[in-house]
Amino acid sequence: NAGVTQTPKFQVLKTGQSMTLQCAQDMNHEYMSWYRQDPGMGLRLIHYSVGAGITDQGEVPNGYNVSRSTTEDFPLRLLSAAPSQTSVYFCASSTQGGSSYGYTFGSGTRLTVV
Amino acid sequence: SQQGEEDPQALSIQEGENATMNCSYKTSINNLQWYRQNSGRGLVHLILIRSNEREKHSGRLRVTLDTSKKSSSLLITASRAADTASYFCATTGESGYSTLTFGKGTMLLVSP
Repeated sequence: NAGVTQTPKFQVLKTGQSMTLQCAQDMNHEYMSWYRQDPGMGLRLIHYSVGAGITDQGEVPNGYNVSRSTTEDFPLRLLSAAPSQTSVYFCASSTQGGSSYGYTFGSGTRLTVV
Repeated sequence: SQQGEEDPQALSIQEGENATMNCSYKTSINNLQWYRQNSGRGLVHLILIRSNEREKHSGRLRVTLDTSKKSSSLLITASRAADTASYFCATTGESGYSTLTFGKGTMLLVSP
């Protein structure tokens, strides 16, 4: 089924560990984004990409890295996990940057940092 | 910073009633979108309304947009228990080719 696939669905990390959240889409969308969702805060943009090889920072980029080597994949790297990064992470993609169509979201990765 | 603010934060109604949620935003937009999120799941796109449109319908959904007041409303008619979810408005920048900026959402509970 066409869509956005995120792995893993759940992860527990110790403070200071690093990990990569995976995101893949098979819709040939140019735009891909990472959001984090915290209780009472809605969704906040971490990083985004408008095409392979092009990435930019969002509202809350500190502690995270991204790269976009292919159109399909947009991994999010946590460099040194901190308890403040405990959150639910969503990857989303769209064509035309949401100007005509909505974004398609993955099912999320629930991350706990202890 | 959050672009949109939904109102109310929570809404509880009975099946068959209409539900209205409001969204206000701060800066000029290309379009405004509404998303639904069921508990523990990803967001699902419901409807998109462009800045030059005033009203749009999709099934039981009706969205209005007032750019002079920087506000939008989402009306769900004849609510069902399956409509229980959180609803978020999100805006795109003036160029349109941009990321989404979300509000904090309205939690809707529809009781049988």
